Amino acid sequence: NAGVTQTPKFRVLKTGQSMTLLCAQDMNHEYMYWYRQDPGMGLRLIHYSVGEGTTAKGEVPDGYNVSRLKKQNFLLGLESAAPSQTSVYFCASSYRERAVEQYFGPGTRLTVT
Amino acid sequence: GEDVEQSLFLSVREGDSSVINCTYTDSSSTYLYWYKQEPGAGLQLLTYIFSNMDMKQDQRLTVLLNKKDKHLSLRIADTQTGDSAIYFCAERDDSSASKIIFGSGTRLSIRP
Repeated sequence: NAGVTQTPKFRVLKTGQSMTLLCAQDMNHEYMYWYRQDPGMGLRLIHYSVGEGTTAKGEVPDGYNVSRLKKQNFLLGLESAAPSQTSVYFCASSYRERAVEQYFGPGTRLTVT
Repeated sequence: GEDVEQSLFLSVREGDSSVINCTYTDSSSTYLYWYKQEPGAGLQLLTYIFSNMDMKQDQRLTVLLNKKDKHLSLRIADTQTGDSAIYFCAERDDSSASKIIFGSGTRLSIRP
């Protein structure tokens, strides 16, 4: 099992450009999450999904959209990137709502200039 | 709202014990976690404790939970260079889709 994978690993965008981050998991998990990590602030939840075809807002959803068309994939989109979105983005998944552990991907480092 | 706080840095000598502390505000948390993040990698679950427990030991790791003071600690015995990482304290908010609230992370550095 590959676990949770993220594509790409690094990306540099200009302000106003758009991009999509892909998260894939091969553990048949129902729940998937997108977090951003900023220095000295821990991880903050952007959006999450409780199953295929469903998404919900987290703590910091503005400027992002998500889609979960297939159970194994969770996409994070930036329609018009801003410098404030420079961050490291982590995807995570868990088996069910009250599963103990969330499994994390290796992260995507995004810089917006 | 929920908040999890921890100090940003800790430096210990190789072979000594490391103690990383954390405080949280949500009294309804069911699970409290310690995650480890090595450079350039994602977070890995190190250990966790259920809220009805006071202590959990797992090899070199000891987790202590003081529910009255909402204080969580992680002790690493015989700290090694491989323990250098950022350690995140986290609590699970069972009121909403198992969201996990993370602290800002404590960077543990090991000196020879």
